[in-house]
Amino acid sequence: DAGITQSPRHKVTETGTPVTLRCHQTENHRYMYWYRQDPGHGLRLIHYSYGVKDTDKGEVSDGYSVSRSKTEDFLLTLESATSSQTSVYFCAISGGTLRTEQFFGPGTRLTVL
Amino acid sequence: GDSVTQMEGPVTLSEEAFLTINCTYTATGYPSLFWYVQYPGEGLQLLLKATKADDKGSNKGFEATYRKETTSFHLEKGSVQVSDSAVYFCALSDGTGNQFYFGTGTSLTVIP
Repeated sequence: DAGITQSPRHKVTETGTPVTLRCHQTENHRYMYWYRQDPGHGLRLIHYSYGVKDTDKGEVSDGYSVSRSKTEDFLLTLESATSSQTSVYFCAISGGTLRTEQFFGPGTRLTVL
Repeated sequence: GDSVTQMEGPVTLSEEAFLTINCTYTATGYPSLFWYVQYPGEGLQLLLKATKADDKGSNKGFEATYRKETTSFHLEKGSVQVSDSAVYFCALSDGTGNQFYFGTGTSLTVIP
């Protein structure tokens, strides 16, 4: 199994509070991704990174920011959490070549009350 | 843009039945295609992949063939087991290899 961990695994927070989710990899892969998974929507890309300090937006980036100061860590921040951000968040990594698949972390279940 | 469309579920089968989950794609380049499986409470795991036309990916009795002429990558298994109950996602990576597109997932339940 690819070495990807996410923390925390579960979090309950209140509307308006900031939240940071962490993804940590031990594979030295260049690309890292944050997705959210919601019933009926499958996986939707929030942000991704193609290197240290290099990030770009996905299809549902509003209300989220990311940072990558080290190859192994990719942080997702909700500056002011809203109930619509209640979801399961997955981190993924990829070597970035055409034939390389993505590997997924175990997920973080976030509930915003 | 690139996209993946897979059959909607849920799908319920009896043990030892034949499984087909349809997946079609739209891509401008030469994508790689994947099937992922997600068990309850877990992340997605790669089930199989195919990186060029006519390739057949296979794993754990599951198969899928990359059909460029029909832009399809249907998942099949000859005899499902209760342990195959999960959600299955079809996905593609675009010609650059760093953008991935997922279908909405198909839930499979296998009953004894």
